[in-house]
Formats: sequence, C-alpha cells, structure tokens
Amino acid sequence: DIQLTQSPSTLSASVGDRVTITCRASQAVNNWLAWYQQKPGKAPELLIFDASNLQSGVPSRFTGSGSGTEFTLTISTLQPDDFATYYCQQYNAYPRTFGGGTKVAI
Amino acid sequence: QVQVVQSGAEVKKPGASVKISCKASGYTFTNHYIQWVRQAPGLGLEWMGIVNPDSGTTNYAPKFQDRVTMTTDTSARTVYMELRSLRLEDMAVYYCARGRNGGNSRTSLDIWGQGTMVTVSS
Repeated sequence: DIQLTQSPSTLSASVGDRVTITCRASQAVNNWLAWYQQKPGKAPELLIFDASNLQSGVPSRFTGSGSGTEFTLTISTLQPDDFATYYCQQYNAYPRTFGGGTKVAI
Repeated sequence: QVQVVQSGAEVKKPGASVKISCKASGYTFTNHYIQWVRQAPGLGLEWMGIVNPDSGTTNYAPKFQDRVTMTTDTSARTVYMELRSLRLEDMAVYYCARGRNGGNSRTSLDIWGQGTMVTVSS
C-alpha cells in the first residue's frame, strides 16, 4: 500500500495567515493526488484534484502543488471558514489511501 | 442537482451484517464509479473499495476483502455496501462518494453522501 504522511498533524494559525500542509507519499503517485476539507460532523469536500487543479466552486486562495512523492496544499490568506481538517488522498494505485489529516485550528 | 443520498443510521450487534444504500441523482449513473470510505469516531478517513455501476466490477481494500460486498442496481440508480461479521471496531460513519472523472476509476471524489452512522454494540 502507498502510505501518505501529512505534516503537521495540527496547525495553529490566525485569520490572514498563509498556511502550508505537506503530504509525502511512500512511492510516486504520478500527480494522482487530491486534497479534501472536512468540518466536524460533515462529509469531506474536494478542494484540489490531480495535484494542482482547483475544483469548481473552491476559492482561489487554495493552491495545490507538487509531483512524484511530495505535495503541498497552500491557503494563501486564511479565512474563518477555513478552520477544518484537511486530508490528502492518492488514487494512483489500489488500495486508494488517505493521509492522516491536518487539523487547522485557531 | 447532482447528489448521492445514503440510507439512515444502523445499530448492529457484533457478528451481524449491515447493508447501506447510496442513491444517485442528477447525473448519468453508469458513467461514474462509486467509492466507499469510512471514518471511525475521532479518526481519519479509510478507503474501503470501489464499484463500477455499469459493469459491477469491484476492487476492495485488502483489509475488507473477505467481509465486504459492493453491488449496484442500475434501475434504481443505487449502489449498496454490505459489511459482514461486524466487530466493535467497525463502528464508524460510512460514506459513499462519486468519482469526479466519468468513466475513469483513477479519479478524485467530488460528490459525497451525507454519511451513515453504524453503531456496533452488544
């Protein structure tokens, strides 16, 4: 299985901050990587697909980058609505796998 | 609008089975794979498997291979996930989600169900 390691696991930030979350894969995933946002009691929502493509309707302050085994999600200017948990997922190989999550807290 | 709607919460005893439905609407049902993901209380997301609603072809995570079955009813536009021999550690919220890229299993998940809570308790 491809292991995805997210860092940090928890991040304390303030409104207006620039935030970066890293996802490292145990083997190359060929840009088949997505980022999701999840709020308490809600289903995850797709933010970024294929490593760097912004899902329709997602604010442009979210950016995905990277290739191979190292990927990042950047929130350029943190907004109150962005306090949530973020997960990466690879869909290059079976079984699909998720990172352990990064909680962005105040 | 495009959505997938899941069946309601379940309470089961250890050793029992649970079958959750996922009904799609607003798009061509057979064009998009459906995947199942679960989340135990306070923990992260765990991928369970994928089903092609057109062919019925499946691929399961090895962890669930011998206990899970995913099926489709195209006339009802519904996908089902059955998990057998339930254990206490199977207590979780189970999600179905649609593959974003139609006709391709190698895709992210763009439309998620609301989740189905499965409680396992003796």
